[in-house]
Amino acid sequence: DARVTQTPRHKVTEMGQEVTMRCQPILGHNTVFWYRQTMMQGLELLAYFRNRAPLDDSGMPKDRFSAEMPDATLATLKIQPSEPRDSAVYFCASGLGIGDRRNEQFFGPGTRLTVL
Amino acid sequence: KNQVEQSPQSLIILEGKNCTLQCNYTVSPFSNLRWYKQDTGRGPVSLTIMTFSENTKSNGRYTATLDADTKQSSLHITASQLSDSASYICVVILNAGGTSYGKLTFGQGTILTVHP
Repeated sequence: DARVTQTPRHKVTEMGQEVTMRCQPILGHNTVFWYRQTMMQGLELLAYFRNRAPLDDSGMPKDRFSAEMPDATLATLKIQPSEPRDSAVYFCASGLGIGDRRNEQFFGPGTRLTVL
Repeated sequence: KNQVEQSPQSLIILEGKNCTLQCNYTVSPFSNLRWYKQDTGRGPVSLTIMTFSENTKSNGRYTATLDADTKQSSLHITASQLSDSASYICVVILNAGGTSYGKLTFGQGTILTVHP
């Protein structure tokens, strides 16, 4: 049963601390997306990768957020330093990209981040 | 500006009843439109994906319609069940052309509550 996995599922931290969220995309998927969801803004795309290369990170605050794919099985989203306004649920999604005309994405369970 | 508007914001119905959720969009050029179901504390799960040439798509008790001329879509749920209680998100994908990935524009979602 292939699915996207994310760790940790929950994270509580204090303002100023570094936060790293991890995602394991579905094996064989070559596109990976990071989203943030809040009650006020809904779902927002932060960044996406194709074949491990970042193609669009325009939705991400560059001064404190960074996203990487060290290898095809791991994507990371890092916040340093974290702020209370970063509190949200962060979703990772993966897809086949151009191999799938519909560009379907499969979402992970999310990481619920609370910054105090 | 590319936007996706959903209505109503929330809806309460009794188990066994039908309901229809609406999605209006201004995204152009259009590639495809998706409806996602998001259970509380979970990631969104795709219900239907429709391309420009498709005007209806069913998935069990869920039927989505698309009118590309008026830029409207609806999601009809038949014989609702308690497990249908969730947020339903309309997502429209921009046609980026060729092999480029189209940007996703998310609606704010409709929160559906089904009461016994």
